[in-house]
This record gives sequence, structure tokens and C-alpha cells, in this order.
Amino acid sequence: DIVMTQSPDSLAVSLGERATVSCKSSQSVLYSSNNKNYLAWYQQKPGQPPKLLIYWASTRESGVPDRFSGSGSGTDFTLTISSLQAEDVAVYYCQQYYYTPQTFGQGTKVEIK
Amino acid sequence: EVQLVQSGAEVRKPGESLKISCKASGYGFTDYWIVWVRQMPGRGLECMGIISPGDSDTRYSPSFQGQVTISADKSISTAHLQWSSLKASDTAMYYCARRHLLHGFDYWGQGTLVTVSS
Repeated sequence: DIVMTQSPDSLAVSLGERATVSCKSSQSVLYSSNNKNYLAWYQQKPGQPPKLLIYWASTRESGVPDRFSGSGSGTDFTLTISSLQAEDVAVYYCQQYYYTPQTFGQGTKVEIK
Repeated sequence: EVQLVQSGAEVRKPGESLKISCKASGYGFTDYWIVWVRQMPGRGLECMGIISPGDSDTRYSPSFQGQVTISADKSISTAHLQWSSLKASDTAMYYCARRHLLHGFDYWGQGTLVTVSS
């Protein structure tokens, strides 16, 4: 299976400040035929199912605030929350969906400092 | 509106069997694969397996092969996850999700909590 490794495991950021989560894949998830990275980010709040935030490494799902952005290619990716809001407190997961089985990172817990 | 509605929480004893469900609506059920995801208490997300409801083509993650059975009934737009003999270690929240080929898992059920305890 492809191993997805996130860092850090948790971080505390002040309201309005930037939060950055990194994700590394054990193999490239870049599909050469369409030049797309099959990498998604999910947000999971307590007691709720995960919610798709970003796909293709950098495309926001409909309705996702533009303070969320994704970047990276190949094996190294980043999720950035440009100005942390109280409602962004959650666990964030990266996922590769290029290979079967699709695999998730271990999650990064984002809290308010 | 796309919805995946899962069956309610279950409590079972070790060795018992169980079948939980995920009913889809708001889209063509056979147009997208359905995946089952396990989340053990306080832990992360694990893909258990995936099924194509149109032809019931099913792929299991190696860790779950032989441990569970995934099925789908396209006549009622419902996917199922079942165990023949539960263990205490099967205690977890189980989610179904719709797999979008290009975007990942774009819609999720609300989750079914399974508790296995003697």
C-alpha cells in the first residue's frame, strides 16, 4: 500500500494566523496522462464524517472557503489555511486516490492557540 | 441532492454476525463506486474495500480481505458491509462514501457506530 505521512501530528495557531500541514506520499501520485495529482484533503470535525476540501492537490471543492489552499506535486503536498477561523478546528487528512487501495495520512489536529 | 444514509448504531457480542447498510439517493447509484471506511476510536481513516454497484465488482484492502463482505443491491440503491463473526477489535465507526474517479470521496454517510462487547 502507498504510505501517506503527515506532519505535524498537531499544531496550535492563533486566530487569523496561517496554518500549514504537510503530506508526503511514498510514491508519486501524479498521473502523467492528464498531469493531475490524485491527492485530496479532508476536514473532519468532532462527531462528523470527513468532508472533501480539496482534490487534484489544489482544486477547492464547491463551497469551500478560499482561505483553504493546496499545493505540491509528485510526492510532496501542503494544505494551507491562510487565516485560521474558530470553525476550522478539526483534524485534516490527506489521501492519495491514484492507487488501490486509496490511503490516508494519519491526520493532523489543528487547534486554536 | 446527493445523500448517503447509513443504518443506525449496533451493539453485538463477540462471535455474532452483523450487516450494516448505506442507502444512496440523488444520483445514479450504478454510476459511482461506493467505499467503506473504518475509523477506530481516536484513530484515523482506513479504506476497507470498494464496490461497483452496477456489476458488484468488489476490491478489498489487504488488511480486510476475508474479514468482511461488501455487497450492493442496485434495485434499492443500497450498499452493505457485513461480518460473519465479530471481534472486540471491530469496534469502530464505519462510513460509506461515494468515490468520484477524479476527485476522491466526495459524499459521505453519517457513519454507523459498531460496538462489540461481551
